[in-house]
Amino acid sequence: KQEVTQIPAALSVPEGENLVLNCSFTDSAIYNLQWFRQDPGKGLTSLLLIQSSQREQTSGRLNASLDKSSGRSTLYIAASQPGDSATYLCAVPGETGANSKLTFGKGITLSVRP
Amino acid sequence: EPEVTQTPSHQVTQMGQEVILHCVPISNHLYFYWYRQILGQKVEFLVSFYNNEISEKSEIFDDQFSVERPDGSNFTLKIRSTKLEDSAMYFCASRALGKYNQPQHFGDGTRLSIL
Repeated sequence: KQEVTQIPAALSVPEGENLVLNCSFTDSAIYNLQWFRQDPGKGLTSLLLIQSSQREQTSGRLNASLDKSSGRSTLYIAASQPGDSATYLCAVPGETGANSKLTFGKGITLSVRP
Repeated sequence: EPEVTQTPSHQVTQMGQEVILHCVPISNHLYFYWYRQILGQKVEFLVSFYNNEISEKSEIFDDQFSVERPDGSNFTLKIRSTKLEDSAMYFCASRALGKYNQPQHFGDGTRLSIL
């Protein structure tokens, strides 16, 4: 059974800092990995999807990397801003295919101090 | 940009009552999902739907739950007799056809409060 872990649960950084959010998963046979952002009381916004054949995927100040063999992904946020404050979740689809259910980590709550 | 729309944003219901949560997935998407998130906990999968039938469901999705796609645009989740522990944020998601590179897109959720 796939387990997704995100540690630490919370992170507080000063504005302008570059930071890395970690995600680990137990079953390395994944099709892709998706990173989401969740603002308090809101839905999930898809940030990046990185396919199993890719090592990195970039969107603006965000860069996601994937190391399947070690069961890890990182989300790199460059030059953090107070508007980046949110919970960041990673998720992987199940063994039946890329269209199957997502298993989520609990998320990392990021606070960027002005 | 197209988005998944969920209504209502907040639903308050007495225990034992039936509730229907509504979703309009993105129009050209073919896979549909329901997830829920109990306060302070992980997002959990409930059910997926493809080609007019359930393709996968979790242990949470028991006989009290059902899904329907009554027309070409809506996707509903029904809870027949609600329990206190059904209180959660319920998210609908949809996905386009595609092998590995299509993300699931989520709506803003319906907060369900059972009294």
